[in-house]
Amino acid sequence: RKEVEQDPGPFNVPEGATVAFNCTYSNSASQSFFWYRQDCRKEPKLLMSVYSSGNEDGRFTAQLNRASQYISLLIRDSKLSDSATYLCVVPSRNSGGSNYKLTFGKGTLLTVNP
Amino acid sequence: EADIYQTPRYLVIGTGKKITLECSQTMGHDKMYWYQQDPGMELHLIHYSYGVNSTEKGDLSSESTVSRIRTEHFPLTLESARPSHTSQYLCASAIQGLTEAFFGQGTRLTVV
Repeated sequence: RKEVEQDPGPFNVPEGATVAFNCTYSNSASQSFFWYRQDCRKEPKLLMSVYSSGNEDGRFTAQLNRASQYISLLIRDSKLSDSATYLCVVPSRNSGGSNYKLTFGKGTLLTVNP
Repeated sequence: EADIYQTPRYLVIGTGKKITLECSQTMGHDKMYWYQQDPGMELHLIHYSYGVNSTEKGDLSSESTVSRIRTEHFPLTLESARPSHTSQYLCASAIQGLTEAFFGQGTRLTVV
């Protein structure tokens, strides 16, 4: 299993729709997770952090299922401005085991249509 | 907004030239990263550092080198640029622990 795997997408949804992305991770010891948003030709920006079972911020909800080792991102009432690539990020141990590095999934492209 | 800066933002350079991409952060972060990303593709970690005089190679083999002489500065150097190095290079920083990283705006490199 890859360290971080995401729904390949792309997702095309109408405005107002609810859409959910999944991300699976291989390291059962992982304790924190992040969702980033990346607009075309821009840098990734943090959307949400997930440290326990989940997190909610307005229209965005992240849920963590440790038993199945996946994280989901739910977007309700989609807006045109939500169109972007969503990246799942999991800290993983470096080769020496002494510290953490951030491993990014390949990303899921979302397009919200009028 | 995160205080992490990359220069130059855009660079077009000839094959065989030596180039250094600059990355600086004013947040006192110990951890810094360099990622490479082609258009529409995933991010690949090429180098990272946990503090001064600490650097490690990332998951993607890279012909570049890095140094970390000061906490705030993490430059990436290509000794001899080739067209295959054409890509976007993103620098990021983070505090220690299981924390999120903040990205600079990136350097878009084109080698002709």
